[in-house]
Amino acid sequence: KQEVTQIPAALSVPEGENLVLNCSFTDSAIYNLQWFRQDPGKGLTSLLLIQSSQREQTSGRLNASLDKSSGRSTLYIAASQPGDSATYLCAVSNDYKLSFGAGTTVTVRA
Amino acid sequence: NAGVTQTPKFRILKIGQSMTLQCTQDMNHNYMYWYRQDPGMGLKLIYYSVGAGITDKGEVPNGYNVSRSTTEDFPLRLELAAPSQTSVYFCASSTAGGFYEQYFGPGTRLTVT
Repeated sequence: KQEVTQIPAALSVPEGENLVLNCSFTDSAIYNLQWFRQDPGKGLTSLLLIQSSQREQTSGRLNASLDKSSGRSTLYIAASQPGDSATYLCAVSNDYKLSFGAGTTVTVRA
Repeated sequence: NAGVTQTPKFRILKIGQSMTLQCTQDMNHNYMYWYRQDPGMGLKLIYYSVGAGITDKGEVPNGYNVSRSTTEDFPLRLELAAPSQTSVYFCASSTAGGFYEQYFGPGTRLTVT
């Protein structure tokens, strides 16, 4: 059974600092890994999807890396802003199914 | 495209009542999913469907039923609601399984009292 862990559970940083969010998973036989953003009381917004054959994906200030063999992914957010405050979820795909971590709640202080 | 839509947005049920959560997608996706999210937790898969007429259980199917009569719609039925079903429910869809991105609806927040 796939287990997905996100550490830390919460993170508070001053504006302008770079954010590093970690995700680990137990079964490396994945198809892809997705990072999502969730604002309080809202749905999920997809940020980045990394296919299992890729090492990283970038979108603007966001960069996600994937090391499938060690079961790890890292989401980097450069030059954080108060608007980046949210919960970030990672999810891995095994066949049809997504397995989610519990998320990292980020607060960016102005 | 509206993407994945869900109704209602919020609902309060009394213990023992029943209801149907609606989910519709307009992307002609074959795969559809229902997840639930409890406070401070990740999402857990309730049921999924790989096409019209085909459904299967996920991790936490007890207390729920689904049907898939069309490509677009994938309703989730709660029979005899219990407080343990208080949660936020998300519907998602994808072109197929595996490599394909899943797209999520805005969620339904359900409270059972």
